[in-house]
Amino acid sequence: QQPVQSPQAVILREGEDAVINCSSSKALYSVHWYRQKHGEAPVFLMILLKGGEQKGHDKISASFNEKKQQSSLYLTASQLSYSGTYFCGTEIEDNYGQNFVFGPGTRLSVLP
Amino acid sequence: EAGVAQSPRYKIIEKRQSVAFWCNPISGHATLYWYQQILGQGPKLLIQFQNNGVVDDSQLPKDRFSAERLKGVDSTLKIQPAKLEDSAVYLCASSLDRGVEPQHFGDGTRLSIL
Repeated sequence: QQPVQSPQAVILREGEDAVINCSSSKALYSVHWYRQKHGEAPVFLMILLKGGEQKGHDKISASFNEKKQQSSLYLTASQLSYSGTYFCGTEIEDNYGQNFVFGPGTRLSVLP
Repeated sequence: EAGVAQSPRYKIIEKRQSVAFWCNPISGHATLYWYQQILGQGPKLLIQFQNNGVVDDSQLPKDRFSAERLKGVDSTLKIQPAKLEDSAVYLCASSLDRGVEPQHFGDGTRLSIL
């Protein structure tokens, strides 16, 4: 039940936009997004909950399509600091608060 | 606020030896997670505690891995005996509550098995 992420990797120039997608084969209760830089721990970006509630940073935007079991993370006007690997994590609707599963990650490189 | 503390940062052992990792979550966080992250992959949940009770240990290889969270605060993860495939970074995370709260990660323990 690991979510699928796309693309696997993306290279951007500073100032360009990117979209990272996460999809599940099961109905979801929540989707989490984290960014991990090389050699560091993952850092929280956003949580999207069934029903529309969101928690996260003001400068990060994301969507959650409950019917399609998909979420997208939108990175606009990218900066060098956005480089890293982005992971989505999902909780299945029937297993609230447990069975949290991370996706395989999307590697983002922002070039000057 | 102080973050999630983990120790040691690095550990090198030979296969068949045992090893233990320690985690101190953020004060007041009820939920504690242990993850295994192999290079190039996403973190894999090994065990999740809610206070001092286990919520999910479906991915924990129970023949060699064990974990406990005494008094609902600190936690230890043990591997005995270690195998070559256990080489990974072991991450501890905590959250105020399960499900709807962000997870805060420690710096992890990098384990190398020779």
